[in-house]
Amino acid sequence: AQSVTQPDIHITVSEGASLELRCNYSYGATPYLFWYVQSPGQGLQLLLKYFSGDTLVQGIKGFEAEFKRSQSSFNLRKPSVHWSDAAEYFCAVGAGGSYIPTFGRGTSLIVHP
Amino acid sequence: EPEVTQTPSHQVTQMGQEVILRCVPISNHLYFYWYRQILGQKVEFLVSFYNNEISEKSEIFDDQFSVERPDGSNFTLKIRSTKLEDSAMYFCASSERGTPYQPQHFGDGTRLSIL
Repeated sequence: AQSVTQPDIHITVSEGASLELRCNYSYGATPYLFWYVQSPGQGLQLLLKYFSGDTLVQGIKGFEAEFKRSQSSFNLRKPSVHWSDAAEYFCAVGAGGSYIPTFGRGTSLIVHP
Repeated sequence: EPEVTQTPSHQVTQMGQEVILRCVPISNHLYFYWYRQILGQKVEFLVSFYNNEISEKSEIFDDQFSVERPDGSNFTLKIRSTKLEDSAMYFCASSERGTPYQPQHFGDGTRLSIL
């Protein structure tokens, strides 16, 4: 079965600084990978997804993620963080015959002014 | 943009009581899901539903839980004889198709507090 690890529980950055949130997965073949964002009091919103092709994926709100098979990683990046980006970020993997994604524990992003 | 809507946003229930959480999926979506997120923990899959029957369920989804699509728009999760450990945020989601690469659209959740 697939699994997802988000090693950072909290990340604190200053507004305008760059951001990288880490995600590592475990699965024998090429997985389907997702990043979701959860703002306080709201549900999960899909930021971007990877299925195949170009390993650098562009998403909404200026986010991008890069699939690195050799490292089993799918890290989320943003060149310049805005205060409104403060939220919980979840990496998820879907694989094989199951369409049910497995979620990581989430990384809480704190943005300092 | 169409949204998944959930009601109520917060439900407080006495332990042992039954609770029904309601969801209105996106209208052209065919697959429906319930997830649970205990405070501070990861989002956990409960159940998926397609064509008026359960497609897949996790070990969490035991006989205490049931789902139903009582009409053409609503999708409900019933929890019988609630326990303290059922306190969590419950998310409904829907997708157009049930494939691994089809993203699921989530509602804002219902916070369930069991006293």
